[in-house]
Amino acid sequence: DAGVIQSPRHEVTEMGQEVTLRCKPISGHDYLFWYRQTMMRGLELLIYFNNNVPIDDSGMPEDRFSAKMPNASFSTLKIQPSEPRDSAVYFCASSLGGFTDTQYFGPGTRLTVL
Amino acid sequence: GENVEQHPSTLSVQEGDSAVIKCTYSDSASNYFPWYKQELGKGPQLIIDIRSNVGEKKDQRIAVTLNKTAKHFSLHITETQPEDSAVYFCAATGTYKYIFGTGTRLKVLA
Repeated sequence: DAGVIQSPRHEVTEMGQEVTLRCKPISGHDYLFWYRQTMMRGLELLIYFNNNVPIDDSGMPEDRFSAKMPNASFSTLKIQPSEPRDSAVYFCASSLGGFTDTQYFGPGTRLTVL
Repeated sequence: GENVEQHPSTLSVQEGDSAVIKCTYSDSASNYFPWYKQELGKGPQLIIDIRSNVGEKKDQRIAVTLNKTAKHFSLHITETQPEDSAVYFCAATGTYKYIFGTGTRLKVLA
């Protein structure tokens, strides 16, 4: 398996624009997680899905953030409108057994909002 | 709320020496404790983990110890090599949550 795949790897956009980050989890993994990493706040869990259903989105910072998982092999994290403080590295991870199992991280998307 | 404290934030060791990173967690219900290594420009990768029914686990140069009574666990790297230089994160499972420590930047000096 190729591991967790994320695209794009880098995204530079201007404030107010819509940003869509994409993730393909490892085949067979039932859990998918979206994280944000910044120097100030470290790794923060934004939302996670189990069998394509959003279970906990309490980490999503604002209504400007939304996430979907239309099928077992694809998820998106959307920011609309984007703001400079959204600049961070966004990671997608997947696992077989949720929080008591290994999470496999993708390479991340480095987002810069000007 | 639930949290995981990790120390030190930076650690420099000479090649061949040992490195120890410590974490303390708050949720007594935590039962899974993984350690991740993050290299520059990459996502965190699991290097070792331990479950609450085990006190110690070893994999070649890497070992993890767990003290459930004191709610702390530690990562031990022996015979460090330059390629061990990275940021290391501990994590603990809280109630329906995976809580990461703040990370330790390890530098192995050749």
